[in-house]
Amino acid sequence: EAGVTQFPSHSVIEKGQTVTLRCDPISGHDNLYWYRRVMGKEIKFLLHFVKESKQDESGMPNNRFLAERTGGTYSTLKVQPAELEDSGVYFCASSQRSGVFLNEQFFGPGTRLTVL
Amino acid sequence: QKEVEQNSGPLSVPEGAIASLNCTYSDRVSQSFFWYRQYSGKSPELIMSIYSNGDKEDGRFTAQLNKASQYVSLLIRDSQPSDSATYLCAVNIGTSYDKVIFGPGTSLSVIP
Repeated sequence: EAGVTQFPSHSVIEKGQTVTLRCDPISGHDNLYWYRRVMGKEIKFLLHFVKESKQDESGMPNNRFLAERTGGTYSTLKVQPAELEDSGVYFCASSQRSGVFLNEQFFGPGTRLTVL
Repeated sequence: QKEVEQNSGPLSVPEGAIASLNCTYSDRVSQSFFWYRQYSGKSPELIMSIYSNGDKEDGRFTAQLNKASQYVSLLIRDSQPSDSATYLCAVNIGTSYDKVIFGPGTSLSVIP
């Protein structure tokens, strides 16, 4: 069974540019999560999709970040315009069920974003 | 107060010894607890999950949970150099089983 995949693995952009990150969850997983780890900090929750619906987007830093999951399959996270503080590693995770004990989330390899 | 705390380490143990990793959390209503292993430059890998007080064993790994003390630990028996990694504790937030908070991680080094 294929795991969570993310693309690209690394992106280097200039301040003010736009970047779109993609995540493909494990097949059959309705739940998809975005997390971010900035340098020296803990992994932080950004948002949670259940199928195509945003269940919780309380962790999104500001309106420069837009996440979509059309059709309930893969998801994209767009940053527009990118700022220096957006640099970090963006992880995607997926899980089979939500709202239950031990909602085990499986992580993708991450996208390392560098904003210059 | 940070919501999930871990000793940053590095924790060094000799090969074959027991490594003990600790985590405390602040939210008394948290119910689900997870341990992830992360090798440098790689993604977090789920290795243990627990929600009942007491011990849960899986191979060389044992998770221990004490909700009264708001404490969860991970024991690694017969530590191997391949266990050298950062271990992340994650805890669900309040009554949401879906949103988790990660601790800063503990770096473990197993010395051959």
